[in-house]
Amino acid sequence: TQLLEQSPQFLSIQEGENLTVYCNSSSVFSSLQWYRQEPGEGPVLLVTVVTGGEVKKLKRLTFQFGDARKDSSLHITAAQPGDTGLYLCAGASRGGADGLTFGKGTHLIIQP
Amino acid sequence: DTAVSQTPKYLVTQMGNDKSIKCEQNLGHDTMYWYKQDSKKFLKIMFSYNNKELIINETVPNRFSPKSPDKAHLNLHINSLELGDSAVYFCASREGGQQFFGPGTRLTVL
Repeated sequence: TQLLEQSPQFLSIQEGENLTVYCNSSSVFSSLQWYRQEPGEGPVLLVTVVTGGEVKKLKRLTFQFGDARKDSSLHITAAQPGDTGLYLCAGASRGGADGLTFGKGTHLIIQP
Repeated sequence: DTAVSQTPKYLVTQMGNDKSIKCEQNLGHDTMYWYKQDSKKFLKIMFSYNNKELIINETVPNRFSPKSPDKAHLNLHINSLELGDSAVYFCASREGGQQFFGPGTRLTVL
């Protein structure tokens, strides 16, 4: 059974600070995805990383896929209150045909 | 222009009842899924359907049965509901590597 360990589980920081969320596994995934989920809604895809060592940027968010394709990180620069939410990493095998394996999520609170 | 829709949004029922949750996607995707999100927000895959055929079935009790009348719909039937079935259930569809999630159905079993 593939598992994704996501840390930290909870993070509360002040506006303007930087933060990093980690997602680690002992298994290799064909791709790794990061989702954001708002209360009462389904997860929404932020980014997909496919190649080992890949780095993708989405405004103040930087996503990295480990060289061995077993881990990933999400770094937020100068966090804003609007970044508050639940961030989920998810690993895909066989292109996601078997569904996604999710980490347990990071509850992020950015205080003004 | 909703991509993946689910009904109902909320479902409150008594233990032992049988209930269904409906899911529809208008994206033309071939693969659809059901996920369960527990009270700690942990999302776990339950079922996957591709072209009306079940691809995977995780260790889900056989009280749960997905039914797909056509490619755009994947409904979830639950028999003899138990307290532990209380959760938020998400439907999703897939194109390439991206999954699109519905808004979820919050099921509460009393």
